Amino acid sequence: DAGVIQSPRHEVTEMGQEVTLRCKPISGHNSLFWYRQTMMRGLELLIYFNNNVPIDDSGMPEDRFSAKMPNASFSTLKIQPSEPRDSAVYFCASSSPGQRATNEKLFFGSGTQLSVL
Amino acid sequence: AQSVAQPEDQVNVAEGNPLTVKCTYSVSGNPYLFWYVQYPNRGLQFLLKYITGDNLVKGSYGFEAEFNKSQTSFHLKKPSALVSDSALYFCAVKLSGSARQLTFGSGTQLTVLP
Repeated sequence: DAGVIQSPRHEVTEMGQEVTLRCKPISGHNSLFWYRQTMMRGLELLIYFNNNVPIDDSGMPEDRFSAKMPNASFSTLKIQPSEPRDSAVYFCASSSPGQRATNEKLFFGSGTQLSVL
Repeated sequence: AQSVAQPEDQVNVAEGNPLTVKCTYSVSGNPYLFWYVQYPNRGLQFLLKYITGDNLVKGSYGFEAEFNKSQTSFHLKKPSALVSDSALYFCAVKLSGSARQLTFGSGTQLTVLP
Protein backbone atom coordinates (compact mmCIF):
# COMPACT_ATOMS: atom_id res chain seq x y z
CA ASP A 1 0.00 0.00 0.00
CA ALA A 2 1.58 3.29 -1.11
CA GLY A 3 -0.33 5.39 1.38
CA VAL A 4 -1.80 8.80 0.65
CA ILE A 5 0.20 10.48 -2.09
CA GLN A 6 0.45 14.23 -2.39
CA SER A 7 2.13 16.35 -5.01
CA PRO A 8 4.08 18.47 -5.22
CA ARG A 9 6.08 18.15 -1.99
CA HIS A 10 7.14 21.77 -2.24
CA GLU A 11 5.63 24.67 -4.14
CA VAL A 12 7.04 28.17 -4.35
CA THR A 13 5.00 30.72 -6.22
CA GLU A 14 4.44 34.43 -6.47
CA MET A 15 1.49 36.27 -5.07
CA GLY A 16 -1.42 36.28 -7.48
CA GLN A 17 -0.54 33.01 -9.16
CA GLU A 18 -2.81 29.98 -9.23
CA VAL A 19 -1.71 27.01 -7.14
CA THR A 20 -3.02 23.46 -7.48
CA LEU A 21 -2.29 20.79 -4.91
CA ARG A 22 -2.98 17.15 -5.68
CA CYS A 23 -3.89 14.13 -3.63
CA LYS A 24 -4.35 10.44 -4.28
CA PRO A 25 -6.06 8.70 -1.35
CA ILE A 26 -5.49 5.13 -0.31
CA SER A 27 -7.36 2.78 -2.60
CA GLY A 28 -10.70 1.77 -1.08
CA HIS A 29 -10.94 4.72 1.26
CA ASN A 30 -14.15 6.65 0.73
CA SER A 31 -13.45 9.76 2.78
CA LEU A 32 -10.89 12.41 1.94
CA PHE A 33 -9.83 15.43 3.98
CA TRP A 34 -7.78 18.55 3.27
CA TYR A 35 -5.98 20.14 6.22
CA ARG A 36 -3.76 23.19 6.55
CA GLN A 37 -1.01 23.43 9.15
CA THR A 38 0.60 26.67 10.31
CA MET A 39 2.49 27.67 13.41
CA MET A 40 -0.09 30.28 14.30
CA ARG A 41 -3.29 28.32 13.74
CA GLY A 42 -2.16 24.71 14.10
CA LEU A 43 -4.00 22.04 12.12
CA GLU A 44 -7.21 23.23 10.45
CA LEU A 45 -9.72 21.14 8.52
CA LEU A 46 -10.49 22.89 5.26
CA ILE A 47 -12.92 20.48 3.60
CA TYR A 48 -13.82 16.82 3.50
CA PHE A 49 -15.46 14.52 1.00
CA ASN A 50 -17.46 11.33 1.40
CA ASN A 51 -17.80 9.20 -1.72
CA ASN A 52 -16.44 12.08 -3.82
CA VAL A 53 -19.09 14.50 -2.54
CA PRO A 54 -18.07 17.56 -0.50
CA ILE A 55 -19.71 17.25 2.91
CA ASP A 56 -18.35 20.18 4.87
CA ASP A 57 -16.37 23.05 3.39
CA SER A 58 -16.90 25.44 6.28
CA GLY A 59 -13.18 25.49 6.94
CA MET A 60 -12.29 26.84 3.53
CA PRO A 61 -10.89 30.29 4.25
CA GLU A 62 -12.48 32.20 1.42
CA ASP A 63 -13.60 32.02 -2.17
CA ARG A 64 -10.02 31.92 -3.40
CA PHE A 65 -9.92 28.31 -2.21
CA SER A 66 -11.70 25.51 -4.03
CA ALA A 67 -11.49 21.72 -3.87
CA LYS A 68 -12.69 18.99 -6.18
CA MET A 69 -12.83 15.24 -6.15
CA PRO A 70 -13.70 14.09 -9.67
CA ASN A 71 -13.27 10.41 -8.80
CA ALA A 72 -12.42 8.13 -5.90
CA SER A 73 -8.70 8.23 -6.56
CA PHE A 74 -7.98 11.91 -7.03
CA SER A 75 -8.60 15.28 -5.42
CA THR A 76 -7.30 18.79 -5.94
CA LEU A 77 -7.11 21.87 -3.78
CA LYS A 78 -6.78 25.08 -5.75
CA ILE A 79 -5.91 28.58 -4.59
CA GLN A 80 -6.56 31.37 -7.06
CA PRO A 81 -5.16 33.97 -6.64
CA SER A 82 -2.63 32.96 -4.02
CA GLU A 83 -1.49 35.32 -1.26
CA PRO A 84 1.50 35.23 1.10
CA ARG A 85 -0.78 34.40 4.05
CA ASP A 86 -1.65 31.13 2.30
CA SER A 87 1.86 29.88 2.99
CA ALA A 88 1.51 26.70 5.02
CA VAL A 89 1.78 22.94 4.84
CA TYR A 90 -1.29 21.41 3.25
CA PHE A 91 -2.13 17.84 4.14
CA CYS A 92 -4.48 15.40 2.52
CA ALA A 93 -5.84 12.49 4.54
CA SER A 94 -8.13 9.59 3.81
CA SER A 95 -10.06 7.07 5.85
CA SER A 96 -11.65 3.68 5.40
CA PRO A 97 -15.34 2.87 5.26
CA GLY A 98 -14.59 0.09 7.77
CA GLN A 99 -14.41 2.71 10.48
CA ARG A 100 -18.20 3.08 10.40
CA ALA A 101 -19.52 6.61 10.42
CA THR A 102 -16.89 8.01 12.75
CA ASN A 103 -14.04 8.18 10.22
CA GLU A 104 -11.84 8.23 13.23
CA LYS A 105 -8.60 6.80 11.88
CA LEU A 106 -7.04 9.09 9.36
CA PHE A 107 -4.11 8.29 7.10
CA PHE A 108 -2.15 11.40 6.18
CA GLY A 109 0.01 12.17 3.20
CA SER A 110 3.40 13.79 3.62
CA GLY A 111 2.02 17.22 2.80
CA THR A 112 2.75 20.03 0.38
CA GLN A 113 4.87 22.89 1.70
CA LEU A 114 3.49 25.99 -0.01
CA SER A 115 5.38 29.26 -0.01
CA VAL A 116 3.75 32.28 -1.60
CA LEU A 117 6.19 35.13 -2.10
CA ALA B 1 -19.06 22.32 20.45
CA GLN B 2 -15.92 20.27 20.86
CA SER B 3 -12.43 21.37 21.74
CA VAL B 4 -9.16 19.98 22.98
CA ALA B 5 -6.32 21.62 24.85
CA GLN B 6 -2.69 20.63 25.05
CA PRO B 7 -1.33 22.87 27.78
CA GLU B 8 2.34 22.28 27.03
CA ASP B 9 3.95 23.43 23.81
CA GLN B 10 7.16 21.59 24.68
CA VAL B 11 8.02 18.59 26.84
CA ASN B 12 11.60 17.50 27.47
CA VAL B 13 12.46 14.18 29.05
CA ALA B 14 15.61 12.12 29.46
CA GLU B 15 15.91 8.87 27.57
CA GLY B 16 14.74 5.96 29.73
CA ASN B 17 12.51 8.13 31.88
CA PRO B 18 8.72 7.97 31.76
CA LEU B 19 6.98 10.56 29.65
CA THR B 20 3.58 12.20 29.81
CA VAL B 21 1.98 14.48 27.23
CA LYS B 22 -1.14 16.15 28.55
CA CYS B 23 -4.50 16.59 26.88
CA THR B 24 -7.85 17.82 28.14
CA TYR B 25 -11.05 17.93 26.14
CA SER B 26 -14.48 19.45 26.05
CA VAL B 27 -17.50 17.94 24.34
CA SER B 28 -21.22 18.02 25.06
CA GLY B 29 -21.50 14.26 25.44
CA ASN B 30 -19.36 11.15 25.17
CA PRO B 31 -16.04 11.70 23.44
CA TYR B 32 -13.97 9.79 20.97
CA LEU B 33 -10.33 10.63 21.74
CA PHE B 34 -7.19 10.15 19.68
CA TRP B 35 -3.47 10.67 19.66
CA TYR B 36 -1.47 11.26 16.50
CA VAL B 37 2.27 11.74 16.07
CA GLN B 38 4.05 13.83 13.46
CA TYR B 39 7.70 13.34 12.58
CA PRO B 40 9.60 16.08 10.74
CA ASN B 41 8.47 16.62 7.16
CA ARG B 42 5.83 13.90 7.47
CA GLY B 43 2.09 13.71 7.85
CA LEU B 44 0.40 12.74 11.08
CA GLN B 45 0.32 9.08 12.05
CA PHE B 46 -2.35 7.46 14.20
CA LEU B 47 -1.12 6.25 17.60
CA LEU B 48 -4.17 5.19 19.54
CA LYS B 49 -7.80 5.94 20.25
CA TYR B 50 -10.42 5.69 22.96
CA ILE B 51 -13.94 4.93 21.82
CA THR B 52 -15.49 3.02 24.70
CA GLY B 53 -14.62 0.36 27.25
CA ASP B 54 -11.37 0.13 29.19
CA ASN B 55 -10.09 3.54 30.21
CA LEU B 56 -6.49 2.53 29.56
CA VAL B 57 -5.78 2.34 25.86
CA LYS B 58 -2.61 0.85 24.42
CA GLY B 59 -1.27 1.94 21.07
CA SER B 60 1.71 1.85 18.76
CA TYR B 61 5.36 2.07 19.81
CA GLY B 62 4.64 1.30 23.47
CA PHE B 63 2.46 4.34 24.03
CA GLU B 64 -0.68 4.28 26.12
CA ALA B 65 -3.27 6.80 27.22
CA GLU B 66 -5.75 6.93 30.04
CA PHE B 67 -9.24 8.28 29.64
CA ASN B 68 -10.36 10.12 32.78
CA LYS B 69 -13.94 11.26 32.49
CA SER B 70 -14.05 13.19 35.75
CA GLN B 71 -11.00 15.22 34.80
CA THR B 72 -11.88 15.30 31.08
CA SER B 73 -8.35 14.25 30.29
CA PHE B 74 -6.64 11.83 27.95
CA HIS B 75 -2.92 12.02 28.74
CA LEU B 76 -0.43 10.14 26.61
CA LYS B 77 2.17 8.11 28.46
CA LYS B 78 5.13 5.84 27.92
CA PRO B 79 7.07 4.08 30.69
CA SER B 80 10.51 4.53 29.13
CA ALA B 81 11.18 7.21 26.52
CA LEU B 82 13.40 6.71 23.48
CA VAL B 83 15.27 9.37 21.55
CA SER B 84 13.30 8.23 18.51
CA ASP B 85 10.06 9.26 20.27
CA SER B 86 11.01 12.89 19.71
CA ALA B 87 8.23 14.32 17.56
CA LEU B 88 5.14 16.53 17.58
CA TYR B 89 2.15 14.94 19.27
CA PHE B 90 -1.47 15.88 18.65
CA CYS B 91 -4.51 15.06 20.70
CA ALA B 92 -7.88 15.05 18.93
CA VAL B 93 -11.52 14.73 19.94
CA LYS B 94 -14.90 14.30 18.43
CA LEU B 95 -18.35 13.84 19.88
CA SER B 96 -19.54 10.25 19.60
CA GLY B 97 -22.37 9.82 17.16
CA SER B 98 -21.72 13.19 15.64
CA ALA B 99 -21.08 13.82 11.97
CA ARG B 100 -18.55 16.47 12.91
CA GLN B 101 -14.97 15.65 12.18
CA LEU B 102 -12.00 15.58 14.49
CA THR B 103 -10.84 18.68 16.32
CA PHE B 104 -7.09 18.66 16.87
CA GLY B 105 -5.13 20.26 19.66
CA SER B 106 -2.28 22.66 19.02
CA GLY B 107 0.35 19.97 19.42
CA THR B 108 3.12 19.27 21.92
CA GLN B 109 6.73 18.99 20.84
CA LEU B 110 8.33 16.09 22.70
CA THR B 111 12.10 16.03 22.90
CA VAL B 112 13.82 13.02 24.41
CA LEU B 113 17.36 13.83 25.43
CA PRO B 114 20.05 11.14 25.19
